[in-house]
Amino acid sequence: GQNIDQPTEMTATEGAIVQINCTYQTSGFNGLFWYQQHAGEAPTFLSYNVLDGLEEKGRFSSFLSRSKGYSYLLLKELQMKDSASYLCAVWDSNYQLIWGAGTKLIIKP
Amino acid sequence: GAVVSQHPSWVICKSGTSVKIECRSLDFQATTMFWYRQFPKQSLMLMATSNEGSKATYEQGVEKDKFLINHASLTLSTLTVTSAHPEDSSFYICSAASADREVQPQHFGDGTRLSIL
Repeated sequence: GQNIDQPTEMTATEGAIVQINCTYQTSGFNGLFWYQQHAGEAPTFLSYNVLDGLEEKGRFSSFLSRSKGYSYLLLKELQMKDSASYLCAVWDSNYQLIWGAGTKLIIKP
Repeated sequence: GAVVSQHPSWVICKSGTSVKIECRSLDFQATTMFWYRQFPKQSLMLMATSNEGSKATYEQGVEKDKFLINHASLTLSTLTVTSAHPEDSSFYICSAASADREVQPQHFGDGTRLSIL
């Protein structure tokens, strides 16, 4: 079966750095996505990785290793507004988006 | 950027009522639209995938007679929850994808919070 694993919850301090990991086992791979979802709102797109390596976009970076079936989202200079759920999703061979359960990130002052 | 409009954003109605939710792609043609449901503190659950002009493909466990999906045009899909009951109360989110599979796989609407009394 297809499976995406990410931690259920993480806590970090304002101004610090946090890394959210995601491992996946899917039928084929056409890219990995990270979405941010605030409570009661729809997900918003953060990043897309299809090749190995690190993609940096401002305070957020996303890394992919296809051979290991592994990705992480790195958030720097954490702000209180970064408190949200972060969803990892993978495009399988049929371009179907497979969702992880999400990681709830709690930022403390 | 691409915009998807979902309406209504909030519905409260009595048990037994049918509720229609609209999803529109405002500035691109959406060949495929997706309907998700999300219960509190849980991840998105794909309910069905609809392609313009054809019948929707439902995920296992989703009742097609209860959740009617119509994708009559390249910019509009509707989800009708028929004879809704309290257990149907949830956050429903649509998303739209265009044929060229741009970098963002799906553009999400803002969601509809459905509460059945």
